[in-house]
Amino acid sequence: NAGVTQTPKFQVLKTGQSMTLQCAQDMNHNSMYWYRQDPGMGLRLIYYSASEGTTDKGEVPNGYNVSRLNKREFSLRLESAAPSQTSVYFCASSEVNGGDGYGYTFGSGTRLTVV
Amino acid sequence: QKEVEQNSGPLSVPEGAIASLNCTYSDRGSQSFFWYRQYSGKSPELIMFIYSNGDKEDGRFTAQLNKASQYVSLLIRDSQPSDSATYLCAVSGGYNKLIFGAGTRLAVHP
Repeated sequence: NAGVTQTPKFQVLKTGQSMTLQCAQDMNHNSMYWYRQDPGMGLRLIYYSASEGTTDKGEVPNGYNVSRLNKREFSLRLESAAPSQTSVYFCASSEVNGGDGYGYTFGSGTRLTVV
Repeated sequence: QKEVEQNSGPLSVPEGAIASLNCTYSDRGSQSFFWYRQYSGKSPELIMFIYSNGDKEDGRFTAQLNKASQYVSLLIRDSQPSDSATYLCAVSGGYNKLIFGAGTRLAVHP
């Protein structure tokens, strides 16, 4: 039972390069999210997808794009990487059940360094 | 802007003691509250959630919610060195989104 799978786990980019972070979940969750985590700033929402076919901006969307390819997969693209995008990126998924709570299941993270 | 505030710590407690972690939030409309544990270099994992005012207990963990004061806390009884981690408070921000605090680092020493 894999849960949420993120690739790659580590990446070094040069300023101006582009890349796509991949995320897939096998729990049949409707909602998926991309967060970044920086020291002292906690997790900040970049983009989210409440359901297949929809995406919305979060708190820090500038410099990123996303694609909800299908119910399982939600990718994050950096078109022109900047040093300010050096961070740890987490993908998460959740299912709202209206009962005891829905919480997020997180992937293992991607550690991105932009030089 | 909706905010979730936590003391960054570190909170240092001896083994066997009660660790008390606190969180305040700004949005009075928030309905769901979560505590995540994050070990260094790892991803967050959900340990507790609470919806209603009062206490909710799960093993050594107790979550406390006071909506009037916009305050959530997590108590860890009989703290163990394995509890040493960063604890993230998260609050519902609408449309199934969570807003996270920056976390409190807990250190349990033998």
